[in-house]
Amino acid sequence: DARVTQTPRHKVTEMGQEVTMRCQPILGHNTVFWYRQTMMQGLELLAYFRNRAPLDDSGMPKDRFSAEMPDATLATLKIQPSEPRDSAVYFCASGWGRDSPWNTGELFFGEGSRLTVL
Amino acid sequence: ELKVEQNPLFLSMQEGKNYTIYCNYSTTSDRLYWYRQDPGKSLESLFVLLSNGAVKQEGRLMASLDTKARLSTLHITAAVHDLSATYFCAVPRGDYGGSQGNLIFGKGTKLSVKP
Repeated sequence: DARVTQTPRHKVTEMGQEVTMRCQPILGHNTVFWYRQTMMQGLELLAYFRNRAPLDDSGMPKDRFSAEMPDATLATLKIQPSEPRDSAVYFCASGWGRDSPWNTGELFFGEGSRLTVL
Repeated sequence: ELKVEQNPLFLSMQEGKNYTIYCNYSTTSDRLYWYRQDPGKSLESLFVLLSNGAVKQEGRLMASLDTKARLSTLHITAAVHDLSATYFCAVPRGDYGGSQGNLIFGKGTKLSVKP
């Protein structure tokens, strides 16, 4: 059953602490996206990767957020230091790259990591 | 800047009724996606519309795309309680010819179907 896997599912932390969220994309997908969902802003694109290279992270506050893909099976989103305004659900999504014969541009989402910063 | 607007944002329906959700977008795109989200859950892909005039149907839901009008509709026929969820439309941002993903989402339409 191919799916995007995210950990942790829930995280409660105190302001100033480091938070790391992890994502395992669907095997064979070479594009990976990080979205943040809040009631006020809806779904915002934070960063995305193709073939592990960052293509756009303009949606991410650079002073505290960083996103990486150490290998093809792992994407990470780190917040350091965390702030209460970072409380949100963070979704990872993956998709086929544009050169793939299966590509329709459709994204497949993980279950999300719900972050609460006190 | 690409904007994706849905209306209505909230929709309360009675079972058995029909209704349409609208999705407008501000720049050229030849494709559009609909997703469903249940409370506390992930986003589930419903429809992938890949060309002007595309129409897809799944059960009581039908989606269509008019790229000239930059408009997609999601039509609900004879609503049932199980359709209660939030529905999002999404459009790819203009780079890479729209095939790269990088979807920009509307705010979502929260649908509540009451007996």
